[in-house]
Amino acid sequence: DAGVTQSPTHLIKTRGQHVTLRCSPISGHKSVSWYQQVLGQGPQFIFQYYEKEERGRGNFPDRFSARQFPNYSSELNVNALLLGDSALYLCASSLTGGLIRYEQYFGPGTRLTVT
Amino acid sequence: GIQVEQSPPDLILQEGANSTLRCNFSDSVNNLQWFHQNPWGQLINLFYIPSGTKQNGRLSATTVATERYSLLYISSSQTTDSGVYFCAHHSGNTPLVFGKGTRLSVIA
Repeated sequence: DAGVTQSPTHLIKTRGQHVTLRCSPISGHKSVSWYQQVLGQGPQFIFQYYEKEERGRGNFPDRFSARQFPNYSSELNVNALLLGDSALYLCASSLTGGLIRYEQYFGPGTRLTVT
Repeated sequence: GIQVEQSPPDLILQEGANSTLRCNFSDSVNNLQWFHQNPWGQLINLFYIPSGTKQNGRLSATTVATERYSLLYISSSQTTDSGVYFCAHHSGNTPLVFGKGTRLSVIA
């Protein structure tokens, strides 16, 4: 079975531009979460979606938004890019998004560089 | 908020040596996961271990939820074990919170 997939693998953008990152969860998984990992740190939670609804949001500005589609894939959008948005963006999927916390599985990430 | 502390931050081992990585967390645990991040950034699931002990080959993990810590044991280390090891923790309705990781270098 395929794992979590993300696209693109790498991306270079200019300050002020907009970016869309994509994620497809493991088949049968209905919850997708997004994380940002800057160099030297652990991943930080951005959003969680379950059954197309936002179930959690981390401490990120409104420039960050996301959505989940009927097939449970997800997009992360970042507007008005700043240099500090340069990071590895990770997507994780799990069976559910409720209080019972199932194991999360991560994709290979999208490495975003903002110049 | 929930805090996850990992120690040591850096570890250098000779190939064949054993090691213990520690993860302390500040709240009761619903989920505790250990990951290995390879040089390309991929987070590889090692253990899902909210409590008890599990073993997988040369790796094993123990979580003592009542004392709020988890240990990852690596035996007979190999150069391919190099990378960053993260523990991450869920409690209640919170998202997965990661520690800062332990950077392991295994030298031949």
